Amino acid sequence: EDQVTQSPEALRLQEGESSSLNCSYTVSGLRGLFWYRQDPGKGPEFLFTLYSAGEEKEKERLKATLTKKESFLHITAPKPEDSATYLCAVQGVVRGSTLGRLYFGRGTQLTVWP
Amino acid sequence: NAGVTQTPKFRILKIGQSMTLQCTQDMNHNYMYWYRQDPGMGLKLIYYSVGAGITDKGEVPNGYNVSRSTTEDFPLRLELAAPSQTSVYFCASSYLSSSYNSPLHFGNGTRLTVT
Repeated sequence: EDQVTQSPEALRLQEGESSSLNCSYTVSGLRGLFWYRQDPGKGPEFLFTLYSAGEEKEKERLKATLTKKESFLHITAPKPEDSATYLCAVQGVVRGSTLGRLYFGRGTQLTVWP
Repeated sequence: NAGVTQTPKFRILKIGQSMTLQCTQDMNHNYMYWYRQDPGMGLKLIYYSVGAGITDKGEVPNGYNVSRSTTEDFPLRLELAAPSQTSVYFCASSYLSSSYNSPLHFGNGTRLTVT
């Protein structure tokens, strides 16, 4: 059973078409939620850390938000260069695991076409 | 400043062979990690190290070994390679422990195929 679930698995957007990616988690005592971007053939690249419900972070066309059970990565007016896989990772007491480790979701593959 | 460097980028092994995946970082980070990424799956932690001479198991350590003789280097050893070890391997480092929400810096991975 995945403790971190990302949806959708894949998303195709036309350039300029805004949308959101979702990351839901099963955690008691969330200590941090991370968003990473991964380009094909590359390692994940850090985007944001969110610590508490209600927190928001922005970077260019990306805005990450956090509630008690999920996080959203909003993409406003995306461009083709935003195409990548976006990974969510959770730090906390995950059911059935131990504190102190980072648990990754499977990612959302975003394609933005011109 | 190269960050985290992994070698080789690609490797094909026969069942039962052994190899070492190399990882080095130039950011003077104490914490280093090895993850594997299988298609359609989240990154899984294999081993991690909190400093030179100190290593510990992650979620999926079976079939692997690590050592940490210097701050910079954290090699991953595969003994008796099996098809189940076909994966993409990522090395990462962080300034503080990931427990303290310190973001990870990843290398570009080693794609390993065991046939």
